[in-house]
Amino acid sequence: QVQLQQWGAGLLKPSETLSLTCAVYNGSFSGYYWTWIRQLPGKGLEWLGEINHSASANYNPSLQSRLTVSIDTSRNQFSLNLYSVTAADTGVFYCARRRRLYHPVSGSMDYFDYWGQGTLVTVSS
Amino acid sequence: EIVLTQSPGTLSVSPGERATLSCRASQSLSSRSLVWYQQKPGQAPRLLIYGASSRAAGIPDRFSGSGSGTDFTLTISRLEPEDFAVYHCQQFGRSPYTFGQGTKLEI
Repeated sequence: QVQLQQWGAGLLKPSETLSLTCAVYNGSFSGYYWTWIRQLPGKGLEWLGEINHSASANYNPSLQSRLTVSIDTSRNQFSLNLYSVTAADTGVFYCARRRRLYHPVSGSMDYFDYWGQGTLVTVSS
Repeated sequence: EIVLTQSPGTLSVSPGERATLSCRASQSLSSRSLVWYQQKPGQAPRLLIYGASSRAAGIPDRFSGSGSGTDFTLTISRLEPEDFAVYHCQQFGRSPYTFGQGTKLEI
């Protein structure tokens, strides 16, 4: 069973950098996009960015100027750095695996099938 | 970006009843790119349906998805107590991948 375990600082001051890491256990690291998603209080989920084992990354344009996603294939880990955080960044951050399923008739279908446990991040002075 | 609007925001139903949840996209989507998740308090979302209508592994057949274009539906045919949760739709049709704001299913 694939498991994603994440960790990182949960309390930050404004202007600091949020750093989170997600480790992948019991599964292949290649062939997927490794993703960060957050949930702001009272709001829906927001896709932040993703990276594959070749270190090809995609970002949400709304955060691209403050966000870096990196990967360490030797440790089966990937990380998020969100710079210059503000109180508006307070929320729960999740790592997840994006899988692409190929079907001969339907074509390709993507989904997030495994998720980390979530990290509550609070930004407060 | 593609905006997904879920309705209703909250749906009050009873165990054994049928629940119908809606997800409307601001632009037409391939049905292959629409996904549904279930989320319970304090937990990460759980994959339910992908490709608009394909159930994920281990998901009971009382969950079904349908739709095309801009209108998609998640139906739970006979609600069990463990089904009371928040349901999110999400699209992979165009980056940035977006989620709806969620529908809370409550007793």
